[in-house]
Amino acid sequence: NAGVTQTPKFRILKIGQSMTLQCTQDMNHNYMYWYRQDPGMGLKLIYYSVGAGITDKGEVPNGYNVSRSTTEDFPLRLELAAPSQTSVYFCASSGQVLANEKLFFGSGTQLSVL
Amino acid sequence: DAKTTQPNSMESNEEEPVHLPCNHSTISGTDYIHWYRQLPSQGPEYVIHGLTSNVNNRMASLAIAEDRKSSTLILHRATLRDAAVYYCILLNSGGSNYKLTFGKGTLLTVNP
Repeated sequence: NAGVTQTPKFRILKIGQSMTLQCTQDMNHNYMYWYRQDPGMGLKLIYYSVGAGITDKGEVPNGYNVSRSTTEDFPLRLELAAPSQTSVYFCASSGQVLANEKLFFGSGTQLSVL
Repeated sequence: DAKTTQPNSMESNEEEPVHLPCNHSTISGTDYIHWYRQLPSQGPEYVIHGLTSNVNNRMASLAIAEDRKSSTLILHRATLRDAAVYYCILLNSGGSNYKLTFGKGTLLTVNP
């Protein structure tokens, strides 16, 4: 029972490089989310998706792009990496709208931009 | 969105009960109370949630005040593995709510 899987676990980027953080879930969840967590802080929502082909911005979307071509996958793309994007990134999923539902998280990707 | 207030940190001894408080004085009737925790270097993990009545599961109990303006997460016998940041979050069931907003939470230290 894999749940939510994120790759890679660690990555170092140079300023201006681009990369894609991968996220996949095997629970057939419609709702998926990307969060970032800066040191000592709470999580901030970057983007979310309510189903294949449907995405929307969260609190801090600038510098990121997402796509949702399948129910299972929700990749997060950084086009021009900046030091401000140094953070831990968490992908999550839920089966329904959140109020009476659990959110399942991946183990995170630690990204450093130097 | 209704906000929550939690102490920045708490300390407990192993095998003793822990009561983690959360104030949410502006809670609405359709707000669910959720608790998540985050162990060091891990993603957040669901603990428990409820609306009006007290809730129990294998991890913890959630005690909700009668006026719903506060709640308490109860760990019945703390273990070293329970050392984590605990987040109290409100989620509204009205309309389309896709956003779970995390504050700074309470850092729980468990002493052996």
